Amino acid sequence: QSVLTQPPSASGTPGQRVTISCSGSSSNIGSNTVNWYQQLPGTAPKLLIYSNNQRPSGVPDRFSGSKSGTSASLAISGLQSEDEADYYCAAWDDSLNAQEVFGGGTKLTVL
Amino acid sequence: QVQLVQSGAEVKKPGASVKVSCKASGYTFTSYYMHWVRQAPGQGLEWMGIINPSGGSTSYAQKFQGRVTMTRDTSTSTVYMELSSLRSEDTAVYYCARDWVAATLDPWGQGTLVTVSS
Repeated sequence: QSVLTQPPSASGTPGQRVTISCSGSSSNIGSNTVNWYQQLPGTAPKLLIYSNNQRPSGVPDRFSGSKSGTSASLAISGLQSEDEADYYCAAWDDSLNAQEVFGGGTKLTVL
Repeated sequence: QVQLVQSGAEVKKPGASVKVSCKASGYTFTSYYMHWVRQAPGQGLEWMGIINPSGGSTSYAQKFQGRVTMTRDTSTSTVYMELSSLRSEDTAVYYCARDWVAATLDPWGQGTLVTVSS
């Protein structure tokens, strides 16, 4: 069971806007920044959003992130077929056993 | 460009150990921490630990304490992750990932599949 909670699946049609939620606690999302990773089938994860809402160079502005309290979300607008992938949220956890924690991942299907 | 290249796939028997390497290039090796993350087949990402390539200090996830050892060789810009007492549940793809800033993992290595089977 993952420390951060994400819906296991999400879907949308091309051009639509979809959002993926990520819920945590005061020791992780509540006190640290959230990152999002995209994992295309058969490949390594890739940084998609960092520091809650920043896009690395090369990531289209269709992708955006936000955070409020102990929750975060990833929004994808103008959905494209190549966006079909697994998406993971992550944050550092400051609890007794400090560590990086991940959400269980959300599989996005483009219908 | 910043690149992490990992060693090839391994097949191990239960009870054995495996050592995976991750060679960094394109940046100053000792300036960035390195994480190890694994992913079991069809499952999500699981953090294993982190190493400071500069001094060699490490911090491991409680789940792996006593079984995992992370080391580095500054002369070759390579970090290593050794996992001992392997069991079938350790079958997974193991990734190294640079800590670019504040626990932001970027980039990731291509992954190393470790299969534990009798």
